[in-house]
Order: sequence, then structure tokens, then C-alpha cells
Amino acid sequence: EVQLVESGGGLVNPGTSLRLSCAASGFSFNSYSMHWVRQAPGEGLEWVSSISSSGTYIYYSDSVKGRFTISRDNAKNSLYLQMNGLRAEDTAIYYCARHRGVVVIADAFDIWGQGTMVTVSS
Amino acid sequence: EIVLTQSPGTLSLSPGERATLSCRASQSVSTNYLAWYHQKPGQAPRLLIYGASKRATGIPDRFSGSGSGTDFTLTISRLEPEDFAVYYCQQYGSSLVTFGPGTKVDIK
Repeated sequence: EVQLVESGGGLVNPGTSLRLSCAASGFSFNSYSMHWVRQAPGEGLEWVSSISSSGTYIYYSDSVKGRFTISRDNAKNSLYLQMNGLRAEDTAIYYCARHRGVVVIADAFDIWGQGTMVTVSS
Repeated sequence: EIVLTQSPGTLSLSPGERATLSCRASQSVSTNYLAWYHQKPGQAPRLLIYGASKRATGIPDRFSGSGSGTDFTLTISRLEPEDFAVYYCQQYGSSLVTFGPGTKVDIK
């Protein structure tokens, strides 16, 4: 079964750091670009970051650029999001998602994890 | 950044009725790289349509997508009880992916 499982969320103080993980199974992880998408409580979806299959190409939304770092370990079938300088507005459910196509550069997100909640509050 | 606007904000319909949802982009979406998702409370989003009109794996044919350039439409031909949810459009034609604010389809 194709599956993504996020972990690492929690309650943290403003200004601190947190590292999210996403464990992939059931598919050739090293062939797919991967993404992080977040959803603040009661709000819509916000794309956060993307990474190509080899990790060569990386993109960030303006709201997290310079604070968050996406990475992957293809040997461990894992995706990561290092979040530094956390702010109250980073409070959200964080989803990892798979790029639909293997060779297509631009594609939709076809597999999603169930998400991990990050709460930034003092 | 391409800004997506969805209308209406809420659509109140009965099971069996037709739903028409709109997504408008602030600039042309490259190669119709436009997707639709729906999300039920407490669940992750699910991909319905990609490439503006292609159904994702396992999506029933009552869902259809159309449009090009800056104007896109998702149509649900006959609403089933499981279709009442929030629907999001997404453009992935630029390296800065964006989502629309969503349309809630609820039971009238």
C-alpha cells in the first residue's frame, strides 16, 4: 500500500525549532518529487515547499523562505522539514504529499499523509 | 505568484443535483497545470482532477474538469452524499505552487 506518515509535530514556543519527518512506503520514493503543504486551523491549503527526486531542485513559499529547510534521505525513504524561527502564524497541520508523475516536472499531488499538527504558542 | 479565486464560497445543494465550481487565475496557468482536490473534515485532501480535465485514479466519472488559460470549472454531475466537502483548485505550472481559498459544498 502506498503510504505517507508524518511525525514530529507538537507544541513549541515562538522562536524555537522543530523538525518534521515523513516516512514513505509502498512506492519507489527516490523516483518522485515530494512536497509539504500546511493548513492553519479552519483555513485553506498553503503550499510550503517542494524537492525534486534527487534533491537537486528545491522551492519554498515566500512565507517560509529563509526559515524552513526541506530535505530528503532516499536511502531511508524519508522526507524532512526543518523549521527554525517558528512564529504563531506557522501553527497548522503539515502534510507531506507525493508528486503524481515520475518524469513530469510539473504535476499535481496524488498521495497525501494524514498530517502532523504544529502549534506555536507561548 | 499566481493568485487563484474560487466561487462561490459556499454552494448549498441537494443529493442528485449538479454542482458547478469555478476557479479563476490572476494570470494564465501554464499548460493547463490546474488540479482540483476535495477535503472532508478531519481528512487529508484527495486529488480529483489534474491537467485541468484528467480524472485521477479511482475518481468516478461524475467528476469532470474543464477550462484553460485563466478560467477553470469543476462539475459534479449528480451529487452523492460523500461529495459534500470543501473543494480546492491548485495551479502547479509555476515553481511557486498556489491553492485557491476553497468552495464548500454543503447539503441544502
